[in-house]
Amino acid sequence: SQQGEEDPQALSIQEGENATMNCSYKTSINNLQWYRQNSGRGLVHLILIRSNEREKHSGRLRVTLDTSKKSSSLLITASRAADTASYFCATAGSARQLTFGSGTQLTVLP
Amino acid sequence: DAGVIQSPRHEVTEMGQEVTLRCKPISGHNSLFWYRQTMMRGLELLIYFNNNVPIDDSGMPEDRFSAKMPNASFSTLKIQPSEPRDSAVYFCASSLSVSTDTQYFGPGTRLTVL
Repeated sequence: SQQGEEDPQALSIQEGENATMNCSYKTSINNLQWYRQNSGRGLVHLILIRSNEREKHSGRLRVTLDTSKKSSSLLITASRAADTASYFCATAGSARQLTFGSGTQLTVLP
Repeated sequence: DAGVIQSPRHEVTEMGQEVTLRCKPISGHNSLFWYRQTMMRGLELLIYFNNNVPIDDSGMPEDRFSAKMPNASFSTLKIQPSEPRDSAVYFCASSLSVSTDTQYFGPGTRLTVL
């Protein structure tokens, strides 16, 4: 069963706009990660946020984590056409294996 | 550096045939994971190894599926006999250790069972 559920399932924006994706999960976690998957490719790790962190930045990416609400958000600023991909959140519990959500399909229009 | 290598990239087979998927993890990584991705069920963890030892195979769908890791640089996922519902993209991923958390994925094997 999937732990994380992304919202929205699909998002379409214009180049230069910001894209926000949300992830909700059900059980306690050790950390939460975001991955990107381009069509026909494997997943690529983007960023990891630990359960004792609230916000993390990496380039144009900003991730927040609210453990009280069991939710996380991924913000991509100044989006580019190359950001078009599926984005997955994955949670790691005490066993450290990852459980992936269903993903958000992001389309950035030029 | 080479990433995770999977072969074949595409496999088309007929129902009842044996299928073997192969994976070479990143050198130095001690943990290896096999996932299956379908539209209906998303990305599912099938099994993972730590130091070549299977740790959790609770995600393996049924006895038709088996996985081995004879050494630190090679793993196989075998389906025998294959069925049309096994059609999916199978990913292998590796990480430095289970506790390191970040996983590096291979390009996947797209399996079609007719």
